[in-house]
Amino acid sequence: DGGITQSPKYLFRKEGQNVTLSCEQNLNHDAMYWYRQDPGQGLRLIYYSQIVNDFQKGDIAEGYSVSREKKESFPLTVTSAQKNPTAFYLCASNAANGNQPQHFGDGTRLSIL
Amino acid sequence: GDSVTQMEGPVTLSEEAFLTINCTYTATGYPSLFWYVQYPGEGLQLLLKATKADDKGSNKGFEATYRKETTSFHLEKGSVQVSDSAVYFCALMGVSNFGNEKLTFGTGTRLTIIP
Repeated sequence: DGGITQSPKYLFRKEGQNVTLSCEQNLNHDAMYWYRQDPGQGLRLIYYSQIVNDFQKGDIAEGYSVSREKKESFPLTVTSAQKNPTAFYLCASNAANGNQPQHFGDGTRLSIL
Repeated sequence: GDSVTQMEGPVTLSEEAFLTINCTYTATGYPSLFWYVQYPGEGLQLLLKATKADDKGSNKGFEATYRKETTSFHLEKGSVQVSDSAVYFCALMGVSNFGNEKLTFGTGTRLTIIP
């Protein structure tokens, strides 16, 4: 079955450490997205990419970095510059033609040790 | 910019009760509207969508009608079940600098159905 796979499901980070969250999709979607979800809040867009080797900042990009070397993959790095990284991170993708709905992975919960 | 305002929760209902979760939006142009559902510990699943005024999206007994005159997209279900307990997000896909794909979410409404 086609879908989006995020790993790991749970991740712990020490202070001053960078961590990378994986997102892989086999839906042949051109566009991919990273969102952050905090309790009681909606989803906020971190980064997005419409095509390979190109990506743009979303609303809360500071302290995060991404790469898009392959169509299927869009990893997110949470750097030590992100002072409040504890959150639920969701990856999504969609076909970049018309208003196609986004499909979501099951998320990665990041916590600080 | 675009924004979505949805009914604050939590909402608690008895099984078989009628459900309404209000959602209103602000956007330029003609956005597409969506309801997503999130079960505990999972990602978001698309519940239903509507792409133009007066469209009605429906799925699993849930319905929502795109009302441009009131800029609303309220979610309704005639008889809820315990399995409907989840967090519901209203979202719009408007026009942005990179095309039509940017999603703006409401803050979510937690729904709990008691037997």
